Amino acid sequence: GESVGLHLPTLSVQEGDNSIINCAYSNSASDYFIWYKQESGKGPQFIIDIRSNMDKRQGQRVTVLLNKTVKHLSLQIAATQPGDSAVYFCADSGGGADGLTFGKGTHLIIQP
Amino acid sequence: EPEVTQTPSHQVTQMGQEVILRCVPISNHLYFYWYRQILGQKVEFLVSFYNNEISEKSEIFDDQFSVERPDGSNFTLKIRSTKLEDSAMYFCASSGTPGEGYTFGSGTRLTVV
Repeated sequence: GESVGLHLPTLSVQEGDNSIINCAYSNSASDYFIWYKQESGKGPQFIIDIRSNMDKRQGQRVTVLLNKTVKHLSLQIAATQPGDSAVYFCADSGGGADGLTFGKGTHLIIQP
Repeated sequence: EPEVTQTPSHQVTQMGQEVILRCVPISNHLYFYWYRQILGQKVEFLVSFYNNEISEKSEIFDDQFSVERPDGSNFTLKIRSTKLEDSAMYFCASSGTPGEGYTFGSGTRLTVV
């Protein structure tokens, strides 16, 4: 399948600041996008998802933006906390029972 | 909150041996998946399963792999003759709606020696 990649392998932000993690996807047929958080030794944890008929979706302290024109996805985390330190993956699928295609991950480091 | 449960958390096996990784999906979910993550790399899709049959599989999921739902609660991944390169974290996931709302388990770390 197509690959999904992230622009930065590591992002370091100060506690309390906002962070933005970016993702580029290549499959123009993808219509469902998810952000996952993975802490060391654990499985991916769902953060937020968005369908291709939307360009923005908000959750608690998180916002996902989707730009289908340039096939770009971003995750904004407001007022970062130490517990936000993790690797963040974007993933996409064409829907149905299709498997997810994951990006390589961005390691978010929260500085005290 | 409902969880996907995987056992064992860590499995060490000798090359050439068969292993079975076990998963208990969320009880009202109908779609089941296996993924793997080689250390330091991205998560890769292996197979999806619905209505007692494989829905989709990736190139990784070759003849040495098989999946089964032996009863109403378990979902297993069998690797018939393990190779060194099969060493990875294997994640089970389930969803109630196809392609949405995946919940992942904590994974089984498979080490082939």
